[in-house]
Amino acid sequence: GENVEQHPSTLSVQEGDSAVIKCTYSDSASNYFPWYKQELGKGPQLIIDIRSNVGEKKDQRIAVTLNKTAKHFSLHITETQPEDSAVYFCAVTTNSNSGYALNFGKGTSLLVTP
Amino acid sequence: DTGVSQNPRHKITKRGQNVTFRCDPISEHNRLYWYRQTLGQGPEFLTYFQNEAQLEKSRLLSDRFSAERPKGSFSTLEIQRTEQGDSAMYLCASSFRGKVPLSNQPQHFGDGTRLSIL
Repeated sequence: GENVEQHPSTLSVQEGDSAVIKCTYSDSASNYFPWYKQELGKGPQLIIDIRSNVGEKKDQRIAVTLNKTAKHFSLHITETQPEDSAVYFCAVTTNSNSGYALNFGKGTSLLVTP
Repeated sequence: DTGVSQNPRHKITKRGQNVTFRCDPISEHNRLYWYRQTLGQGPEFLTYFQNEAQLEKSRLLSDRFSAERPKGSFSTLEIQRTEQGDSAMYLCASSFRGKVPLSNQPQHFGDGTRLSIL
């Protein structure tokens, strides 16, 4: 099955700095790459996603880049704020996954200090 | 609020008891997924429904687990004879499968049911 590795497992940045989280995957047929933010006691919240026919996507302070050749994709958060503190998960799926079930990374705990 | 709704939010039960969780998806979503999340890990896929049909089950879904979506709307996940290892957060997600084949639509999650086995 698909193997998704996520790094780093923890990340601490100062408010206003940028944060970058990287994920690698093993299945070259993977074609959909969402990122989720999970706050304590809540379910994962979709924050941005990218499809395999696109190299980069941006939504205000959040961007995702995809390198299909190297099989990795990254989440970039600029001008971080304390409310960005949460656990972030990358996920991957392919058309061959029945129902497009998501394979998740193990998460990155982001702490933004004022 | 028109998001995915899960009940109960917390369930504490003794080992060996049966438990049932409910998920109400976003109303126009025809796909419904169940995932399990343990501490420090990402969610792991359990099963999914296209309308009322259960089309895929993960190897994680032992015989003690059963899921239903009788009318293609809400879904229930039942665990029989609970074990310590069943303690986890059980998450439900929904998405919409359009008419375009192989269309991969975003999954939206509920806030989960946290199960604790005493």
